[in-house]
Amino acid sequence: GNSVTQMEGPVTLSEEAFLTINCTYTATGYPSLFWYVQYPGEGLQLLLKATKADDKGSNKGFEATYRKETTSFHLEKGSVQVSDSAVYFCALSGRQAGTALIFGKGTTLSVSS
Amino acid sequence: DAGVTQSPTHLIKTRGQQVTLRCSPISGHKSVSWYQQVLGQGPQFIFQYYEKEERGRGNFPDRFSARQFPNYSSELNVNALLLGDSALYLCASSLGQLNTEAFFGQGTRLTVV
Repeated sequence: GNSVTQMEGPVTLSEEAFLTINCTYTATGYPSLFWYVQYPGEGLQLLLKATKADDKGSNKGFEATYRKETTSFHLEKGSVQVSDSAVYFCALSGRQAGTALIFGKGTTLSVSS
Repeated sequence: DAGVTQSPTHLIKTRGQQVTLRCSPISGHKSVSWYQQVLGQGPQFIFQYYEKEERGRGNFPDRFSARQFPNYSSELNVNALLLGDSALYLCASSLGQLNTEAFFGQGTRLTVV
């Protein structure tokens, strides 16, 4: 079945450091891929998405490219801020009606000043 | 515009009791999905409803049930609560049946004692 594997955390960085959070997936067909962010005590917010191979999703300085050949969707940001501290979830969704979002276990990012 | 609203925000129940959680989707959205997020894990899919019909179901026991009303709001019911049902329950709304852009509510924190 479909699944998502993302790197274990926590990831601890200093402000302005480069961020990479790895995400790989297993899926039949051509899923859509997502990164969601969860701040403490809150629900999930969609950060970015990509719906087909080689698409690049971007938002708030974060980027991720849909790589079909490596089944990956790694999240990157060139310069993190303290306010980026949160839990990041990689997710996929099939293209059939009623299919669920399948999430990874989440990666906690902690950025210090 | 109001986002996805869930009520209550927190709830404490005793083992064996029943609970009802409520969700109002974004105006114009016809699909509501429910997810369970256990501490330290990614959300797990429970149900999807679209146009008042169940369109998808995750691997949860029959103690879990849901429905969607004509105004597209939704309720999740859990009977015979177990300690393991303690979790954050998230509701997501989307325009159509596909998860191309799902918006999450803040969640209901259920504690079973």
